[in-house]
Amino acid sequence: NAGVTQTPKFQVLKTGQSMTLQCAQDMNHEYMSWYRQDPGMGLRLIHYSVGAGITDQGEVPNGYNVSRSTTEDFPLRLLLAAPSQTSVYFCASSSGLAASDNEQFFGPGTRLTVL
Amino acid sequence: AQSVTQLGSHVSVSEGALVLLRCNYSSSVPPYLFWYVQYPNQGLQLLLKYTSAATLVKGINGFEAEFKKSETSFHLTKPSAHMSDAAEYFCAVRKGNQGGKLIFGQGTELSVKP
Repeated sequence: NAGVTQTPKFQVLKTGQSMTLQCAQDMNHEYMSWYRQDPGMGLRLIHYSVGAGITDQGEVPNGYNVSRSTTEDFPLRLLLAAPSQTSVYFCASSSGLAASDNEQFFGPGTRLTVL
Repeated sequence: AQSVTQLGSHVSVSEGALVLLRCNYSSSVPPYLFWYVQYPNQGLQLLLKYTSAATLVKGINGFEAEFKKSETSFHLTKPSAHMSDAAEYFCAVRKGNQGGKLIFGQGTELSVKP
């Protein structure tokens, strides 16, 4: 199994550009999430999904869109990139089985710089 | 609402010394707590998790954590630090009753001196 994969690994954008960060998992996990990591702030939840066709907002959703058309994929879209979105983005997935567990598996991250 | 506070953004120990990384949580429901490690330029890897089965939880690489409800703490320890333990460590609590949502602490960077 490849686990959770993310592309690209690095990206530089100009203010106002748009792009999509890709995330895929091959573990048949129901739950998928996007986090951003900023120095001194840990990881903050952007959006998450509890299954195909179902998404919801996290702590910091503004400026980001998501959709979940398949179990495997959960892309994150930046519509109008801003310098404040410079960050490292992590995708994670977890099984919906056993509500007391829900260990999340993380991808390697995408380093995004917005100029 | 759930929250996590990690005390100390940087901790430095000598090789062979005790490692103690502090985490306090706030949760309105029985907490499910996690410690993750992040090595430079990598993603997060689960060290251990507390899911109410036992208060002392053993994880990978010799780490363990003790859940203390009276102190709302879940501190991470390792008896003897190794150079390879240098990394950033995150404590997290599951938000609500659903998977897919974690609330993270600010992180603690561990340095190990030879």
